[in-house]
Amino acid sequence: NAGVTQTPKFRILKIGQSMTLQCTQDMNHNYMYWYRQDPGMGLKLIYYSVGAGITDKGEVPNGYNVSRSTTEDFPLRLELAAPSQTSVYFCASSPSPGYGYTFGSGTRLTVV
Amino acid sequence: QKEVEQNSGPLSVPEGAIASLNCTYSDRGSQSFFWYRQYSGKSPELIMSIYSNGDKEDGRFTAQLNKASQYVSLLIRDSQPSDSATYLCAGRPSATGTASKLTFGTGTRLQVTL
Repeated sequence: NAGVTQTPKFRILKIGQSMTLQCTQDMNHNYMYWYRQDPGMGLKLIYYSVGAGITDKGEVPNGYNVSRSTTEDFPLRLELAAPSQTSVYFCASSPSPGYGYTFGSGTRLTVV
Repeated sequence: QKEVEQNSGPLSVPEGAIASLNCTYSDRGSQSFFWYRQYSGKSPELIMSIYSNGDKEDGRFTAQLNKASQYVSLLIRDSQPSDSATYLCAGRPSATGTASKLTFGTGTRLQVTL
């Protein structure tokens, strides 16, 4: 049972480039989330999804996009990367409201 | 005012002592609370959840919830060096509806000294 799998683990982007952070879970969870974590700032919600085909913005969505075509996959797209997007990105999933999250191992992104 | 607040620490306790980690929250309607442990460079790991007033024990960990005071705590008994990590408190605000979005505190760094 792999849980939540994120790829890549590390990436360096140049300003203006784009990339997709992959997230897949094998627990049949309906709820999936993308957070970013900056030093001393805690985890901030970027986007979330309550099921296939349904996504919504979180606290800090600007510069990002998501899609949820299947229950398993919830990729995060960065368009026109900026230095402010340098962060660690975590994908998480939950089986239903009221339950805690299972986190992926994270993607450390640097934009130069 | 932050929705979930924690002292950033570091909190230093000797091996074998009780570590007490605290968290306050501003949304009086919050129903569910969670404690995560995060080792440096790793992802958060769920260690405790608590939904009702009182104490919940799991091994060396005890979570305490006081809704009247809007206060959540985590006690770690017989602290070990392997407990040295950052502990994140998270709450599910009442306005989150069915989305189950959690709000996280910034974490308290715990150091267990030999």
